[in-house]
Amino acid sequence: ILNVEQSPQSLHVQEGDSTNFTCSFPSSNFYALHWYRWETAKSPEALFVMTLNGDEKKKGRISATLNTKEGYSYLYIKGSQPEDSATYLCALYNNAGNMLTFGGGTRLMVKP
Amino acid sequence: KAGVTQTPRYLIKTRGQQVTLSCSPISGHRSVSWYQQTPGQGLQFLFEYFSETQRNKGNFPGRFSGRQFSNSRSEMNVSTLELGDSALYLCASSSPLVANVLTFGAGSRLTVL
Repeated sequence: ILNVEQSPQSLHVQEGDSTNFTCSFPSSNFYALHWYRWETAKSPEALFVMTLNGDEKKKGRISATLNTKEGYSYLYIKGSQPEDSATYLCALYNNAGNMLTFGGGTRLMVKP
Repeated sequence: KAGVTQTPRYLIKTRGQQVTLSCSPISGHRSVSWYQQTPGQGLQFLFEYFSETQRNKGNFPGRFSGRQFSNSRSEMNVSTLELGDSALYLCASSSPLVANVLTFGAGSRLTVL
């Protein structure tokens, strides 16, 4: 069983603030890392798939980086908006590529 | 393109009963995964099926089982329900053609009384 940890567990920020959270994972046998956003009353939706050390992905105000050698990924949100309020999940694919292990998530709340 | 469909969306059972949940994946997706979500526990992996074969299983008791049909539709079954089985059960389908990204259904919320 892979151990995927996310920090912080929850975060309250003001509208306009930039923020970031961390996903830590065992660096050995890395295959791929996914980020998902899970809004209340909806299903989780994929944000990024990251496979290479040094990967940087961006979607609008949200970006992510990956360091497979030290076993972490950062998710950044620039200029947070209330609609960014959600739980952000990272998930690690095992090296057989058929099982995603999710971290506990970071719950972000953006106050207007 | 239709999304992942889970039925039923809500159900209430009593201890000792059994329940079957259904998941229809996105057309063309042959992998179906099941997850359990409870408050404070996050998403816990139950099992993954591909082409009617279970390829991986999480750390759940044998009361939790599943299967996949030739059309990739999947069912999961929980027998002898316990109060702790109350949870949101999410199904997700994926394809290696799109980087194995999971597309989730809306979930089946099970309450065990």
